[in-house]
Formats: sequence, structure tokens, C-alpha cells
Amino acid sequence: GDSVTQMEGPVTLSEEAFLTINCTYTATGYPSLFWYVQYPGEGLQLLLKATKADDKGSNKGFEATYRKETTSFHLEKGSVQVSDSAVYFCALGKGAQKLVFGQGTRLTINP
Amino acid sequence: GAGVSQSPSNKVTEKGKDVELRCDPISGHTALYWYRQSLGQGLEFLIYFQGNSAPDKSGLPSDRFSAERTGGSVSTLTIQRTQQEDSAVYLCASSSTVPRGTYNEQFFGPGTRLTVL
Repeated sequence: GDSVTQMEGPVTLSEEAFLTINCTYTATGYPSLFWYVQYPGEGLQLLLKATKADDKGSNKGFEATYRKETTSFHLEKGSVQVSDSAVYFCALGKGAQKLVFGQGTRLTINP
Repeated sequence: GAGVSQSPSNKVTEKGKDVELRCDPISGHTALYWYRQSLGQGLEFLIYFQGNSAPDKSGLPSDRFSAERTGGSVSTLTIQRTQQEDSAVYLCASSSTVPRGTYNEQFFGPGTRLTVL
């Protein structure tokens, strides 16, 4: 079945560091890819999405490019802030079907 | 507008008791999903409702778990004879199935934290 594998955490960085969280997927068909974020004490929120190969999703300084040739959707940010501390989930979905999530990566940014 | 709401926000129960968790989706959303977030298991799909179609129950972990969706809106997830391993955060999400390209954006509620003693 479809699956998502993402970089295990936790990840700890200093403020203004460059961030990469790796995500790869296995899926039949043409899934859409997502990054969700869960801030401390809050619910799951969609951070960004890409619906087809070579699409780049971006939001709040985060970016991820849908790479079909490497089946990847790595999350990047050039300069992280303390407020980016959260748990990040990579996910795939097809049409109106369920989302398949990775295990989540806990990110902590130190001032 | 209002987002997805869930109640209760926290539930503590004793092993062997039954519990009911409620989800109110965004008005007009025809698709409703239940997921479970637990330590060591990440986010797992449980069940999916789409309009009047038969639900996709493929993620329910045992026959102690069931869910209903009344009138195409509110959903209740019931766990019978709770076990300690049922302790988790139960998340509900809803989405519109009006075709919008090839993706469906799911909007999540705040979750119900279930603790089974």
C-alpha cells in the first residue's frame, strides 16, 4: 500500500539555521503531497501542498518540491525562527481518500 | 467560518468502559475522517465517510471501534470496552468533495485526548 517515510527526529537547530526535513513516499497513481504542522497545544494545520510533479508548495517561508523521479517532497526553510518549533508531518492523498502520514518530525529551534 | 469541532477535549475513563467521541465537521463538507495519533504509531487513519456511501472502515483496529455519521453531518466514534492501548488523541477532519484539481484539503479539529486508566 501507499506509505510515507520521513526523517526521524527530534531535530534541534539554532535560530536562523537552514532546515531540511526529508520525506519520501511510495504510492500508486498520482498522489498529492502535503506538509502538515502541529504547534504545541494546537491542532494539525496544513502548511503547504503540491498536487503534481515539479510543483512547488510554499508558505510562511517553507518550501517543498514534488519530485516524482526521486519520490520525494523534502521540506526546507532558509532561516528558521523559534516560532517554527512544532511537529511536522509529511502526507500523501489521492482524491477524496484518506491521508497517509509519515511518523512526524519534532523540530525545536533554540534562540 | 467555524472550523471542525470535537468534544470532549479530554476524556479519562477506566479500562472496560465505553466512550463516545463527537465530531462536528465544517458546514457543507461531505467527507469526514477519523484519525488516531498515538505515541509510537504516529497518525493512523481509522474511518472515512463520504456522503451517503458506505464508509471506509479499513483503518479500524478492532471490532470494539465503530463510528456513525448522522444526517451527513455530525459523527460519533464509539470505543467499547476500552483498553489502555486505546489511549491516544483522536482527530477528526472534514473536506469538501467539490472537485478542486486532484487534491482534497482536509481540515482538522483540535482532537480529543483519551486516557484509559
